[in-house]
Amino acid sequence: DTEVTQTPKHLVMGMTNKKSLKCEQHMGHRAMYWYKQKAKKPPELMFVYSYEKLSINESVPSRFSPECPNSSLLNLHLHALQPEDSALYLCASSLRGGFSNEQFFGPGTRLTVL
Amino acid sequence: QQQVKQSPQSLIVQKGGISIINCAYENTAFDYFPWYQQFPGKGPALLIAIRPDVSEKKEGRFTISFNKSAKQFSLHIMDSQPGDSATYFCAARRSTGNQFYFGTGTSLTVIP
Repeated sequence: DTEVTQTPKHLVMGMTNKKSLKCEQHMGHRAMYWYKQKAKKPPELMFVYSYEKLSINESVPSRFSPECPNSSLLNLHLHALQPEDSALYLCASSLRGGFSNEQFFGPGTRLTVL
Repeated sequence: QQQVKQSPQSLIVQKGGISIINCAYENTAFDYFPWYQQFPGKGPALLIAIRPDVSEKKEGRFTISFNKSAKQFSLHIMDSQPGDSATYFCAARRSTGNQFYFGTGTSLTVIP
């Protein structure tokens, strides 16, 4: 299984809503990532979890709250978002250390904040 | 500061032609250089990757050329097809870290 899955595919939320994005992988990867991608731009790193511990937080506003319940799951909790937060949110995973450095991306969640 | 610089921003190639996208980096600690292909509304997909101990890697119609002394690497797409029309991102990663640094992307259009 070489797949990263993300749910939901699309999400529309108001600025007062609370929602969560979910990411799952079963490749035994121990590094998991959240990226934000705007149209025609490269993925912008938000968070990195390594062995279920937050290792990188790229100064992301607190309205985005990541969670890594176990080595296969990664969540992104959203609260009080702004319209400028509308973007494609990508989850990725990679094998930390070892021979393979490949990073696999999920299909993304298209988020629209009204 | 952009860790990986990518050019051109957009590229139009005739079907059957060669598409060439270039990237440059400064950090000599980078030791893994992947290329990603992304179609609209989809996540990036790993296309091909190279390590600095080799100068070239080929997989089908896709070739990475790597120049360690110049700190540059490029993607060559031979016999370009309309289905190759997508955005391509180069990236780099340090051996001691988990963070990937992406280029700004190249929008490739292959016209029939």
